[in-house]
This record gives sequence, C-alpha cells and structure tokens, in this order.
Amino acid sequence: SAVISQKPSRDICQRGTSLTIQCQVDSQVTMMFWYRQQPGQSLTLIATANQGSEATYESGFVIDKFPISRPNLTFSTLTVSNMSPEDSSIYLCSVDGPLLGSADTQYFGPGTRLTVL
Amino acid sequence: QKEVEQNSGPLSVPEGAIASLNCTYSDRGSQSFFWYRQYSGKSPELIMFIYSNGDKEDGRFTAQLNKASQYVSLLIRDSQPSDSATYLCAVGDGEKLTFGTGTRLTIIP
Repeated sequence: SAVISQKPSRDICQRGTSLTIQCQVDSQVTMMFWYRQQPGQSLTLIATANQGSEATYESGFVIDKFPISRPNLTFSTLTVSNMSPEDSSIYLCSVDGPLLGSADTQYFGPGTRLTVL
Repeated sequence: QKEVEQNSGPLSVPEGAIASLNCTYSDRGSQSFFWYRQYSGKSPELIMFIYSNGDKEDGRFTAQLNKASQYVSLLIRDSQPSDSATYLCAVGDGEKLTFGTGTRLTIIP
C-alpha cells in the first residue's frame, strides 16, 4: 500500500483562523479523500479531491468552509476556514489503493488532530 | 441516506477465544465491504475486504458476507491482547465508503 503523510500532525488554533492540512502520497493515486472523525465518533467523508477539477463535497460540507486543492496525483490540501470549537476533530486523508482495481479500497494517512479554542 | 450499523460494544473476549463482530447495511446496491482496525489515537488500518457472498479467510481473520441479509461479519480466531481496538465496518458503492460507528473490542488476558 502507499505511504501517506500528513502535516501538521496536530495543532491548536484560535477561533476565526484557518488551518491548511497537507496530504502527501509516495506514489500516484487516482482518488484522494478527506474525512473528519470527531471524538468517539466514526469517520465522516467531507469531500473527494479530484485532480484537475473541483472537489466533490458531501452533504453538509461546503467549499467556502473546507476548500480543497489537488494540484497533482500525489498531493492534496484541506483548509478548515474560519474555525470554531465545533471544528475540533481529527482530519484524515485517504487514497484509493491499487488492490484489485477497486476505487473503494482506501488507505489512511496518520491524521491531523485539530483543537480550536 | 446509506446506513451502516454496528454494535458499539464494548465487546469483551477472553484471550484465545473467537471474537465475532457484526455489521448490517441499508443499501442493497453496495458492492464492496471492508473491515478496518483503529487503535486509540491512530488512524484506521485496513485488515479485510470482501466482495462476494461467503467467507474469506486471511490468517486469524475471516470475513463473512451475506448480501441477501445485508450482513457482514468479522471473526478473529485465537484472540490476542493486541487485537484490542475499535473495528470499523465500511461499505462501498464503487465511488466512496460509508463507515459504521465501530465496535470496541477488548481482549482479556
């Protein structure tokens, strides 16, 4: 499976500010995804990052709040804008795996733990 | 709204016994089924996937799928303390995954 890194690994931010999270993969991948995992909860998909086009957002998530870039096949960023304490969460990127040609097989990065004060 | 249901647990199993984790899903069009293991403070790790009805074995892990009943399970044989984690069931539709809330498993030495 691909080696996935995320920066920063954790951060503490003030409300009203923005944070950009980076996701880097050691090989080219077709699909990259961004998830949120709030304390004690499961994973919620924020958006699918598409190379060369705009991200596809899930219901309840909007581009103004979570702008996403995907400049190439190995890198993506997620920005959490105008943060509030409710944005405190773990943010995870994932990539589709080469296994069996399935777009569903996903591997996760280590995550970014965000605390908003 | 696609739903994936899991018993949140905690599920306590003696060391060496079989741990059985269950998951149901609402979308009959689901194509692929995954089990992820998540240790506390870590990201999810893919441990099993299954696409066809029946059983799939990999080491101590067996995934079972019954599409008619919309049910998928994970069996862990000879449970070890290192198996203590939260297990997430995920269901795919060809484009994205929907995750269950996870079952917290504790293996008792």
